[in-house]
Amino acid sequence: NAGVTQTPKFQVLKTGQSMTLQCAQDMNHNSMYWYRQDPGMGLRLIYYSASEGTTDKGEVPNGYNVSRLNKREFSLRLESAAPSQTSVYFCASRLTLADNQPQHFGDGTRLSIL
Amino acid sequence: RKEVEQDPGPFNVPEGATVAFNCTYSNSASQSFFWYRQDCRKEPKLLMSVYSSGNEDGRFTAQLNRASQYISLLIRDSKLSDSATYLCVVTQGNNFNKFYFGSGTKLNVKP
Repeated sequence: NAGVTQTPKFQVLKTGQSMTLQCAQDMNHNSMYWYRQDPGMGLRLIYYSASEGTTDKGEVPNGYNVSRLNKREFSLRLESAAPSQTSVYFCASRLTLADNQPQHFGDGTRLSIL
Repeated sequence: RKEVEQDPGPFNVPEGATVAFNCTYSNSASQSFFWYRQDCRKEPKLLMSVYSSGNEDGRFTAQLNRASQYISLLIRDSKLSDSATYLCVVTQGNNFNKFYFGSGTKLNVKP
């Protein structure tokens, strides 16, 4: 019963390093999302993929790139990490057969940039 | 103005109390609404969807008021295990693929 799986769970990077966060879902969902959550703030959408082969920017896309590798996998890449990208990153997926389908979340990646 | 606004709380209530949270949204075209629960350092988990006519799931009741652009969550007979942060989630207008999250309302249920 895996659901949405994120790797790694924790990571510490130095400023300027690059890194890819991985996300995979086994629920045959169409849409996938990447969010960041900072203290005292709600989740903010970085990028999303409405279906395999498509990606779109969310509220805070600067400094990030994404790849929808296949229907199951959606990765988030930081090309040159900055301290402002220290955050908790959540991946989510959603079935889009009906408009009011909710999102299901992975358990997050805690990323610190020094 | 934020797309979705919630009172951050905390709401401190005794076990057995009834507590209500509101959440206001700015885009009148928003179509889908949800309440999520988030425990400390954990991922958000769906509590319930919010339907136009209002809906109930056990001790939880959700309501939508489109005219005033807010949704509400009522928790009856609070349990210690209800202590968490409750997130309001709204679609971005009529784009069903994009969601706005409120910052959350923290609930502490005391013995």
